[in-house]
Amino acid sequence: EPEVTQTPSHQVTQMGQEVILRCVPISNHLYFYWYRQILGQKVEFLVSFYNNEISEKSEIFDDQFSVERPDGSNFTLKIRSTKLEDSAMYFCASYRDRAYEQYFGPGTRLTVT
Amino acid sequence: AQSVTQPDIHITVSEGASLELRCNYSYGATPYLFWYVQSPGQGLQLLLKYFSGDTLVQGIKGFEAEFKRSQSSFNLRKPSVHWSDAAEYFCAVSPPRGGGGADGLTFGKGTHLIIQP
Repeated sequence: EPEVTQTPSHQVTQMGQEVILRCVPISNHLYFYWYRQILGQKVEFLVSFYNNEISEKSEIFDDQFSVERPDGSNFTLKIRSTKLEDSAMYFCASYRDRAYEQYFGPGTRLTVT
Repeated sequence: AQSVTQPDIHITVSEGASLELRCNYSYGATPYLFWYVQSPGQGLQLLLKYFSGDTLVQGIKGFEAEFKRSQSSFNLRKPSVHWSDAAEYFCAVSPPRGGGGADGLTFGKGTHLIIQP
């Protein structure tokens, strides 16, 4: 069964550094998402992406965040200057269209020290 | 703004007993409704979903959920739990197709299910 993959599974970075989290959505899916889950808290929507542009973003998704689909298969989340509070599990998800459920990747655990 | 409430933070159930996890939502129209399960250190797996039609939906692993419009609820049930069901369960909503608004899922805070032997 096709699945969403994410790399790396765990990333440790120092405060102020840039990180790029990578996702490979399911190949025929058209809508892509990033979510985060701070330890012990609920999953929160960050951003949705369709037709090579952001379609929606939450208030969490500020200027420090950006997303890109550089090559038609990868979908990346960049955090320009990480803060301690960016430490969380980041999940990528994809949809074929809005009639179908979102498929989630296994997540990348980001630890900012 | 849409919101999801899971009133039970923790639930402890004996193995073999029945289970019901509660979920209430606040949304202008009937949203799409989902239940996801997250095992420790794992990602989110979809258990079941409701878009329209029959209000009792069947999912994977023997789970079912019932949509009750009058109560704005979408409770998850299982007749007999197994030790492997111990996990975090999240209820989520999204706008219906064509409903507009942010299309990301809105999750509840989750219910931690503990299974007693």
